[in-house]
Amino acid sequence: ILNVEQSPQSLHVQEGDSTNFTCSFPSSNFYALHWYRWETAKSPEALFVMTLNGDEKKKGRISATLNTKEGYSYLYIKGSQPEDSATYLCAFLSGNTGKLIFGQGTTLQVKP
Amino acid sequence: AAGVIQSPRHLIKEKRETATLKCYPIPRHDTVYWYQQGPGQDPQFLISFYEKMQSDKGSIPDRFSAQQFSDYHSELNMSSLELGDSALYFCASSLYRTSGGYTDTQYFGPGTRLTVL
Repeated sequence: ILNVEQSPQSLHVQEGDSTNFTCSFPSSNFYALHWYRWETAKSPEALFVMTLNGDEKKKGRISATLNTKEGYSYLYIKGSQPEDSATYLCAFLSGNTGKLIFGQGTTLQVKP
Repeated sequence: AAGVIQSPRHLIKEKRETATLKCYPIPRHDTVYWYQQGPGQDPQFLISFYEKMQSDKGSIPDRFSAQQFSDYHSELNMSSLELGDSALYFCASSLYRTSGGYTDTQYFGPGTRLTVL
């Protein structure tokens, strides 16, 4: 059974704080790791697809790093804003058929 | 930009009834995935299709079947509905790339919330 773990489960920060979350995944048979941002009642929004060890990707104030040898990825948000409040999901690509195994998500609440 | 369309958005059914969920992928996307998210749970992979052929299968009950049509839209058919089938059903689509296989971004629809009474 492949497990994808995210921590923390929830996070409350003040506007302007920088924050980061962790996604742990199996380090063998790695194909890709996906990050999504999901607001209630909306479609999960794709943030990053990471495929190479040492990958660093950035989208505005959000960035992510990848370590496939030890099986973890970090998502960073610099200067959090209230509109960043959402659940952040990571998903491990299991095998080469597109099947994603999701973590349980980190729910971020940014207070103005 | 066009996104993944799912219909209906909400569906209420009685136990033992049938339900059909539809998914319209982003234009030119050839791969469709179905995921089920129960209350308080992570999304779980059900089934996927590439070029109208099933490409992978997860823990999908035998009461469920799905297919991808020639226009690439997909339908998930659910029969003999049970209370435990109440969930949010997501469809995602992507473009298969010869160089990267199935590693490309999966774009998700808004989901269909199925409630079984």
